[in-house]
Amino acid sequence: NAGVTQTPKFRILKIGQSMTLQCTQDMNHNYMYWYRQDPGMGLKLIYYSVGAGITDKGEVPNGYNVSRSTTEDFPLRLELAAPSQTSVYFCASSYRNSEQYFGPGTRLTVT
Amino acid sequence: AQSVTQPDIHITVSEGASLELRCNYSYGATPYLFWYVQSPGQGLQLLLKYFSGDTLVQGIKGFEAEFKRSQSSFNLRKPSVHWSDAAEYFCAVGRETSGSRLTFGEGTQLTVNP
Repeated sequence: NAGVTQTPKFRILKIGQSMTLQCTQDMNHNYMYWYRQDPGMGLKLIYYSVGAGITDKGEVPNGYNVSRSTTEDFPLRLELAAPSQTSVYFCASSYRNSEQYFGPGTRLTVT
Repeated sequence: AQSVTQPDIHITVSEGASLELRCNYSYGATPYLFWYVQSPGQGLQLLLKYFSGDTLVQGIKGFEAEFKRSQSSFNLRKPSVHWSDAAEYFCAVGRETSGSRLTFGEGTQLTVNP
């Protein structure tokens, strides 16, 4: 199993541009999550999903959107990128309330 | 609301020395507790978890943690640190009824001196 995969690994965006961060898991997990990690900080939950077609906001959802059309995929959309969205983004998945498995992250810079 | 505090931002130990990383949580009921490790440029890897039962839990890489309800703590320990343990360590707390939403501490950076 590949586990949780994320693309791209790195991206530089200009202010106002948009992009989609891809996340795929092959563990048949029903729960998926998006976090951001700012330098020297812990992870903050952006959005999560408990199954296909169901999403909910986390702690810091503003400026982001998600969708969950399949069990495997959970893309994160950034509209109108802002410098405050410069961060490392991690996708994770879990089976119900068990431990979360993390992807390698996407490092995003908005200039 | 649940919260996690890791009081030590940075800890330096010598190789072979013992290690204890502190974690305090705030939550009204029995929490789910986790320790994750993050190597530079990598994602997070689970070291160990506590859901219920025995309050001393064993994890990977020789780590263990002890849940102390009276102190609201879940400290991570290792008897003898290896240079490869240098990384950032995150404590996290979740709730049984919250769909596994985790709240993370701000992390403790571990440096290991030869």
